[in-house]
Amino acid sequence: EPEVTQTPSHQVTQMGQEVILRCVPISNHLYFYWYRQILGQKVEFLVSFYNNEISEKSEIFDDQFSVERPDGSNFTLKIRSTKLEDSAMYFCASSEHLRKTQYFGPGTRLLVL
Amino acid sequence: SQKIEQNSEALNIQEGKTATLTCNYTNYSPAYLQWYRQDPGRGPVFLLLIRENEKEKRKERLKVTFDTTLKQSLFHITASQPADSATYLCALDLRHGSSNTGKLIFGQGTTLQVKP
Repeated sequence: EPEVTQTPSHQVTQMGQEVILRCVPISNHLYFYWYRQILGQKVEFLVSFYNNEISEKSEIFDDQFSVERPDGSNFTLKIRSTKLEDSAMYFCASSEHLRKTQYFGPGTRLLVL
Repeated sequence: SQKIEQNSEALNIQEGKTATLTCNYTNYSPAYLQWYRQDPGRGPVFLLLIRENEKEKRKERLKVTFDTTLKQSLFHITASQPADSATYLCALDLRHGSSNTGKLIFGQGTTLQVKP
C-alpha cells in the first residue's frame, strides 16, 4: 500500500541553524500538508500546499518557515533559523483530492538545543 | 471561542467490551469529521470520515456518529482488543465558503487502554 515517507526520522540542531525536513507524498496525490505536534500536545496545522503554492498557513507558519515542491516528488519544510520552541514532531500529509482522506507520514522528531 | 474537546481522561476498558469516545466542538462548522488513531511516536492513521449530512458510518468493528445539532461525534469500537490500545484523535475539516484548503483541526485525543 502506498505511504507517505519522511526523512530524517530524527534531527538534532542548534538554535539558529537552518533545517530542512523532507517528505515524499503518495504519488498521485495533489494536496500536501505539514502539521506539527509538540510533545504531549495536539496535532497543529502549519500549512497546506496545492498547485505549487501555499493555499493556507497558520499563525505558527511565520517568515522563518517555507515549503517547496522542488521536483514533483519531494515536499520540503524549511525552518530558516530554528528556535527552542520549534522542537516538535513534524508530520507531512497528502491527499488525493480536497477533503479526501489525509495520509500522514511517520514524522520527523526535531530537537532544537 | 472555538474549541474541540475529547474525553480528557484515559479510557480503560476490558477486552471484549465496547469503547465509546466523545468529540465535542463549539463555534465550528465542520463539513467533515475524521477519526485517526495515533500510536506513541508515530503519525496519525486515518480510520473513518463522516460528512455533515451523515448520521452514522461503520467500518468493521468501528462506528462513528455525527450530530451537528449537538456538535458532537461519538466513536465506538466494539469487541475491543488489547491491540486497539492507542490514542484516538478527532479532526474537523472546516467549511470556509469559497476557501477550501483541507486544513484539519485536531482534538487533543483520548488514550484508550484495553486490558486482557
